[in-house]
Amino acid sequence: DIQLTQSPSFLSASVGDRVTITCRASQGISSYLAWYQQKPGKAPKFLIYAASTLQSGVPSRFSGSGSGTEFTLTISSLQPEDFATYYCQQLNGYPLTFGGGTKVEIK
Amino acid sequence: EVQLLESGGTLVQPGGSLRLSCAASGFTFRSYVMNWVRQAPGKGLEWVSTITGSGGSTFYADSVKGRFTISRDNSKNTLYLQMNSLRAEDTALYYCAKNWPENGGSYSDYWGQGTLVTVSS
Repeated sequence: DIQLTQSPSFLSASVGDRVTITCRASQGISSYLAWYQQKPGKAPKFLIYAASTLQSGVPSRFSGSGSGTEFTLTISSLQPEDFATYYCQQLNGYPLTFGGGTKVEIK
Repeated sequence: EVQLLESGGTLVQPGGSLRLSCAASGFTFRSYVMNWVRQAPGKGLEWVSTITGSGGSTFYADSVKGRFTISRDNSKNTLYLQMNSLRAEDTALYYCAKNWPENGGSYSDYWGQGTLVTVSS
């Protein structure tokens, strides 16, 4: 099974900060990676697919990059509505797996 | 507007069974791969199962293989998860999620609000 390791698991940041979250795969997954945002008590929201393509309607301050085993999600200027938990998911093959999540909190 | 409405979650004893349903609307249900994803209280997301649009192929996490069965009724636009031999570690909020793009897509673009399954004596 492909394991995904997200880092950090928790980060504290201020509005306007640039934030980067890393997702590492235990084996190469090409670009078969998605990113999701989840706020407390809500269902996950689909942000990015194919490692770097923004889903329609997602603000351009979000970006994704990477291929193979190392991926990043970057928020260029953190906004109040961005405080949430972020998950990566690999779709290279079954079983599908999620990273452990990165909680972004207000400093 | 895409809507996914899960139901069927409740308190059940260890070893018991439960069937979850997900009523879909706002899209051509039979054309899309569907999933179940769960989240234990205070924990991360865990993929549970996937079914193709025709229902001809199904996939399961090792943790539920042999105990859970995913199915769909395309005439009723409804996704199901039959859960047998339930264990305490199956306690979670169960989400139904629609995949994208059409006809085999892998990315879950819409999620329901979840239905809570609690396994406890």
